[in-house]
Amino acid sequence: AQSVTQLGSHVSVSEGALVLLRCNYSSSVPPYLFWYVQYPNQGLQLLLKYTSAATLVKGINGFEAEFKKSETSFHLTKPSAHMSDAAEYFCAVSDPDMRFGAGTRLTVKP
Amino acid sequence: NAGVTQTPKFRVLKTGQSMTLLCAQDMNHEYMYWYRQDPGMGLRLIHYSVGEGTTAKGEVPDGYNVSRLKKQNFLLGLESAAPSQTSVYFCASTLTGNTEAFFGQGTRLTVV
Repeated sequence: AQSVTQLGSHVSVSEGALVLLRCNYSSSVPPYLFWYVQYPNQGLQLLLKYTSAATLVKGINGFEAEFKKSETSFHLTKPSAHMSDAAEYFCAVSDPDMRFGAGTRLTVKP
Repeated sequence: NAGVTQTPKFRVLKTGQSMTLLCAQDMNHEYMYWYRQDPGMGLRLIHYSVGEGTTAKGEVPDGYNVSRLKKQNFLLGLESAAPSQTSVYFCASTLTGNTEAFFGQGTRLTVV
């Protein structure tokens, strides 16, 4: 089965700074890739998904991710962090069953 | 539109007891999943189903059983609970493979 690896279990940024959360996938063919966000004591909700239509994918809340086949990466970025972005973020791959990375907890400092 | 509903939301079991977690979705989704979430390990797939009457093993199936007798329901059973099964359990559904997953609110299970 395909898998994803998230680099960095915890990322801390200042409010207004760039957010970069890293995800690499294992597949040799372009997979279906997703980013989800989890707020405390809640289930996960979709931020964005890659389905091969475009390499740069825009999601909700100002997040975007770029699919790079040469690097087998699908990193999540946001130009300017907001306090409300503090949450845990999960990269996932569909094969077609949905498999998740270990998650990255984002902390935003005032 | 309720989406995905899990019951119960909290449960404490003694070692060796059995229980069933219920997941219900009202979106006519074909695929349903059970995950467990543990600190630092993300969500690990226990079992999943690609349609009514089907089930398949995920990454960590041992100690769990599932059934999908009706399309809208996916049951997760623990026959003899162990402390290692203390976790938060999430159910999810997708319309088909490779589509967005919709999650329930989770079930916090403690086995003592």
